[in-house]
Parts: sequence; C-alpha cells; structure tokens
Amino acid sequence: AQSVTQPDIHITVSEGASLELRCNYSYGATPYLFWYVQSPGQGLQLLLKYFSGDTLVQGIKGFEAEFKRSQSSFNLRKPSVHWSDAAEYFCAVGAVYGNKLVFGAGTILRVKS
Amino acid sequence: KAGVTQTPRYLIKTRGQQVTLSCSPISGHRSVSWYQQTPGQGLQFLFEYFSETQRNKGNFPGRFSGRQFSNSRSEMNVSTLELGDSALYLCASSSDDRVNIQYFGAGTRLSVL
Repeated sequence: AQSVTQPDIHITVSEGASLELRCNYSYGATPYLFWYVQSPGQGLQLLLKYFSGDTLVQGIKGFEAEFKRSQSSFNLRKPSVHWSDAAEYFCAVGAVYGNKLVFGAGTILRVKS
Repeated sequence: KAGVTQTPRYLIKTRGQQVTLSCSPISGHRSVSWYQQTPGQGLQFLFEYFSETQRNKGNFPGRFSGRQFSNSRSEMNVSTLELGDSALYLCASSSDDRVNIQYFGAGTRLSVL
C-alpha cells in the first residue's frame, strides 16, 4: 500500500533563510509525487510534481524538489524563504492509474522576521 | 479557465441530518475526486468519479456517497451525520490524461453540532 511520511510537523525558519521539507514515500512501482501548499481555510495549490525523467524538478514560487529513489525521498527546497511562504505543505503520492492521492500528515511552516 | 468551484463554502448541520456538497470541475475535466480533511486524520481520499462512474473508493462507511452528472459536476452526500464528520471536504478535478494532475477547490467546511 502507498504511504507518505512527513517527519516534521512544524518547522520555523527566518525570512531569507533556506528551507528543506522532508518527505518519504512507500510505493511498489515508480511513483507519481507531488507537493501541495495550503493556506489557512483554503484548498490545495500544486507546487510541483514528479512523474519521470530529471530527478530535480522546479515548481512555482521558487520551490524545487529532488526525487531520490534509493532513499524513497522527495524533499522540497527553497533557497530563500519569504514571509508569504508561511503555510502548510503536503507531500503526496499517486498511482499510475486513477486519481487517488495519498497524502502525508503535512508540515506547518512558520517564517519569523 | 475558471478553477474548481465548491458550494457551499460553509455548512452547519446537526447530528442525524444529511448533507449534499457540490463540486464543479475545471471545464473539460472528466475526473472528480473527493477528500476529507480533519486535524486528526489529515487528508483522506473518499472516492473518484470519472464519466459518471465511480472509479476509486476510499475506506469510508456507506453513509458517504457521491455521484457525477453528464456535465462532470459532482455531488457528495453524507447521511445520518455524526460529530466526527465535521471536516473540510475538498474536491479535485483532473483531465485524466497522462499528466494526471489534480486541481483542488477551496473546500466546503462542514460543522456537525
């Protein structure tokens, strides 16, 4: 069965500092991997996705993520965090067929000035 | 293109009642998925409809049901509401091509009293 682990429930970083959010997945085949962001009271916005090919993927808002098959990881990074990045971030894995996403528990990002 | 539209945004019901939530997908998208988001259980997949047929189903009781119309709009129904059904219900649509990206609506916040 698919599963996603986000080991950090909360992370606090200073504005301008770099960010890395961790994500580990369990899936029997090549996964489809996603990072979504959710602001309070809102839906989910897609930041980036990995389906195949280049293991370093670029997304919106300056985010990137690297797929490492050997570590079953898909960590999200940003070189310089802005106060507007404060939100909850979800990593998700999807199957090749069908539109069922399995989400991690989420990481709440706080940005201090 | 307009995004995924969910109505209503907020609902208050009492135990034992039933409720219907609506989702209008992005124009041209034929797949609609529903998710429940709670603080305790996180984001959980309810079901997916594609071309008016349920294609995937999560592990929820039969009180949770859905349907999809010929214009791809979808409704979700919860009968005999319980306090634990209080949640943010998110709808996502997908064009269901190889890309398989799901786009989420802002959600319906259901409170059961």
